[in-house]
Amino acid sequence: DAGVTQSPTHLIKTRGQHVTLRCSPISGHKSVSWYQQVLGQGPQFIFQYYEKEERGRGNFPDRFSARQFPNYSSELNVNALLLGDSALYLCASSETTVNYGYTFGSGTRLTVV
Amino acid sequence: AQTVTQSQPEMSVQEAETVTLSCTYDTSENNYYLFWYKQPPSRQMILVIRQEAYKQQNATENRFSVNFQKAAKSFSLKISDSQLGDTAMYFCAFIASFGNEKLTFGTGTRLTIIP
Repeated sequence: DAGVTQSPTHLIKTRGQHVTLRCSPISGHKSVSWYQQVLGQGPQFIFQYYEKEERGRGNFPDRFSARQFPNYSSELNVNALLLGDSALYLCASSETTVNYGYTFGSGTRLTVV
Repeated sequence: AQTVTQSQPEMSVQEAETVTLSCTYDTSENNYYLFWYKQPPSRQMILVIRQEAYKQQNATENRFSVNFQKAAKSFSLKISDSQLGDTAMYFCAFIASFGNEKLTFGTGTRLTIIP
């Protein structure tokens, strides 16, 4: 079975541009979460979606948005990119509740220049 | 708000030895879960072990075990018979059982296994 897949793996954008990152969860997993991992730090929670509804939002500006589609895949959108948005963006999925932890993808490395 | 602290930025140990990584956390929740994740250079976060707060018995998974001290809010990871493939960043993480289902991570410990 395929794990959590993210695309693209690497991305270079210019300040002020917009970016869309994509995530496909493990088949049967209805919950998708997004995390930002700046170099040298632990991941920080951005969003969680379950059954296409937003269940949680971290302390990120409104430039960050996300959505979940009927097939449970998800997109993370970031507008007006700043240099500080350069990071590894991780997507994670789980079946229903999170007591068994999340399964993570390999991430998208975003570099803003 | 929950916080997770890992006080050892880097550790190294000889292959086949035992190593213990430290983690402390702070929360007002009574029901929660704790995890150790491994992040090798491939970047993917891999779940190593989980602990349910209401269980007193420490979790074990093959060479990996935890020492969970709920009153002290401590959750250390012991790796026995360490292998070269254990070289990675290790993150301690917390999630409350109810409410916002977000993982709160520590800053990580970089573990190097020396041949």
